[in-house]
Amino acid sequence: GESVGLHLPTLSVQEGDNSIINCAYSNSASDYFIWYKQESGKGPQFIIDIRSNMDKRQGQRVTVLLNKTVKHLSLQIAATQPGDSAVYFCAEWGTGTASKLTFGTGTRLQVTL
Amino acid sequence: DVKVTQSSRYLVKRTGEKVFLECVQDMDHENMFWYRQDPGLGLRLIYFSYDVKMKEKGDIPEGYSVSREKKERFSLILESASTNQTSMYLCASSLLGHLNGYTFGSGTRLTVV
Repeated sequence: GESVGLHLPTLSVQEGDNSIINCAYSNSASDYFIWYKQESGKGPQFIIDIRSNMDKRQGQRVTVLLNKTVKHLSLQIAATQPGDSAVYFCAEWGTGTASKLTFGTGTRLQVTL
Repeated sequence: DVKVTQSSRYLVKRTGEKVFLECVQDMDHENMFWYRQDPGLGLRLIYFSYDVKMKEKGDIPEGYSVSREKKERFSLILESASTNQTSMYLCASSLLGHLNGYTFGSGTRLTVV
């Protein structure tokens, strides 16, 4: 899973399998969460978001689950493809006058053939 | 296609040089951000701006300054580049207000020699 630190966690999955990337967030008052995908040499791209009044949201081949009780967020990718290989970041939007997105350190997803 | 454009993908500069990194967005976003990205450290906020001529320090502003003379353009300035500023620099923009995701540029990889 993803956590603050110096090491980038790596998840290796076989093509066609489902991937689950985890993220633990710190601020219990955060009310908006986003998953970003960053391919090599590119900037992060928005994948899917979820507001704190929801516990699940689905997109195309992706699902985000939010567990506010344990402050945990996960991204599920169905039928993982080689093009899914990238670094995935979760981001949380805190509350307050200077609220802005806070990013996790990322998880590298490697898809093997 | 709306986007955030960073003027250079790769830059090599000498220690002590003054370096300008330029970012332009065409989405009429109020907020703009500069991050640096280093392996294992994730995205660290350098400076951000909520409006023209306004700027706020992020988490690691030392050694950097910014300029926002026009709404669409946000410049990051390294007054005297040092080798520890070798990094990937990412610009992002967003709408003003709560619960808005960021749109990122493709990044500038700066090497200071």
